[in-house]
Amino acid sequence: SQQGEEDPQALSIQEGENATMNCSYKTSINNLQWYRQNSGRGLVHLILIRSNEREKHSGRLRVTLDTSKKSSSLLITASRAADTASYFCATAYRDDKIIFGKGTRLHILP
Amino acid sequence: DAMVIQNPRYQVTQFGKPVTLSCSQTLNHNVMYWYQQKSSQAPKLLFHYYDKDFNNEADTPDNFQSRRPNTSFCFLDIRSPGLGDAAMYLCATRGDGGAWQETQYFGPGTRLLVL
Repeated sequence: SQQGEEDPQALSIQEGENATMNCSYKTSINNLQWYRQNSGRGLVHLILIRSNEREKHSGRLRVTLDTSKKSSSLLITASRAADTASYFCATAYRDDKIIFGKGTRLHILP
Repeated sequence: DAMVIQNPRYQVTQFGKPVTLSCSQTLNHNVMYWYQQKSSQAPKLLFHYYDKDFNNEADTPDNFQSRRPNTSFCFLDIRSPGLGDAAMYLCATRGDGGAWQETQYFGPGTRLLVL
């Protein structure tokens, strides 16, 4: 299976703290994407990092990619209550497949 | 502006009664995907099209079929829905920049309930 693994499966932190989620995958990818999904809602695209990139920033988000370790991390700085959601990484392959990881459920405590 | 449209948003069907979910896009994207997402799980890729080339995932049940009559439309047919097929079905598209640089655009999903 090409499905990636994410850890932790669940994460609870205090508002204002930073949240870090990790994603590992098994075979070579073209790019890796991170999505957010609020409970019962659709997927929101957050950021895409290409296989030849190592780090990318977007607002309070920082994504890293280590192709040698086949892993990526998503850092959310200065977390807010509105960041409470599930976060998924999705890996894109040369055959046009895009496979989602199992996700991390993030809960921001007030 | 709506880009990936899924109808209906909620679909109720009976056990064993065929059902069709639809997806349309205004992006003129070559690639279209269907995912199944069950509660508290990740979206699972069922199949995807590159233009008219159909690519089925090895573990997608035969009960699931798809049609893409043109660039804009794609359909998911469930021939004999079982209770285990109750889920959110997500359609997505991707542009022609190549898989290394293009993100997916998701529709809002159709939630299927099987009675």
